[in-house]
Amino acid sequence: KQEVTQIPAALSVPEGENLVLNCSFTDSAIYNLQWFRQDPGKGLTSLLLIQSSQREQTSGRLNASLDKSSGRSTLYIAASQPGDSATYLCAADYGGSQGNLIFGKGTKLSVKP
Amino acid sequence: DGGITQSPKYLFRKEGQNVTLSCEQNLNHDAMYWYRQDPGQGLRLIYYSQIVNDFQKGDIAEGYSVSREKKESFPLTVTSAQKNPTAFYLCASSIVTEGTEAFFGQGTRLTVV
Repeated sequence: KQEVTQIPAALSVPEGENLVLNCSFTDSAIYNLQWFRQDPGKGLTSLLLIQSSQREQTSGRLNASLDKSSGRSTLYIAASQPGDSATYLCAADYGGSQGNLIFGKGTKLSVKP
Repeated sequence: DGGITQSPKYLFRKEGQNVTLSCEQNLNHDAMYWYRQDPGQGLRLIYYSQIVNDFQKGDIAEGYSVSREKKESFPLTVTSAQKNPTAFYLCASSIVTEGTEAFFGQGTRLTVV
């Protein structure tokens, strides 16, 4: 069964700290892996998309890496800010007849001023 | 602005009532999806559509129905057969079903009263 796991479920850090969020997936045959941000009561905002042929993607203070062989992806946030507080979700795209993204349950990040 | 519009933002349903959630996109995407989000759980796929007049059941389709008469629109009906409909519903779209970035709407929160 294809599953995606995110650890930890919650994380609290002081402002300015660099941090890493983890995402693991059981089936390495992914097309891509996507990271999203979700604010309370809101929809998902796409942050980064890493294709299966890529190792990493960067956008501003965010850097996402992908290691298919180990079934892992990480989202690195540099110099965290209170505005980064949100739930971060990763999703593995396996394509095929499912046409489906498999989501982790998310990591709730709180950045304290 | 291009994007996905879900309406209404909040919806209340009485016992035994059918309700319809709207999802419209102007991104010219072929694929559209409906997900359900419950506290402490990941997003679960209800239905998806790869092309007009065609749609497929996801993991939790029981008690739900959809239509895809236009490329831009993918409404979801929550029927009286859905025994636990209180949840946050998210609509998404992508260019194709695999390997490309998914974009999400702002969600509809449905509550049974």
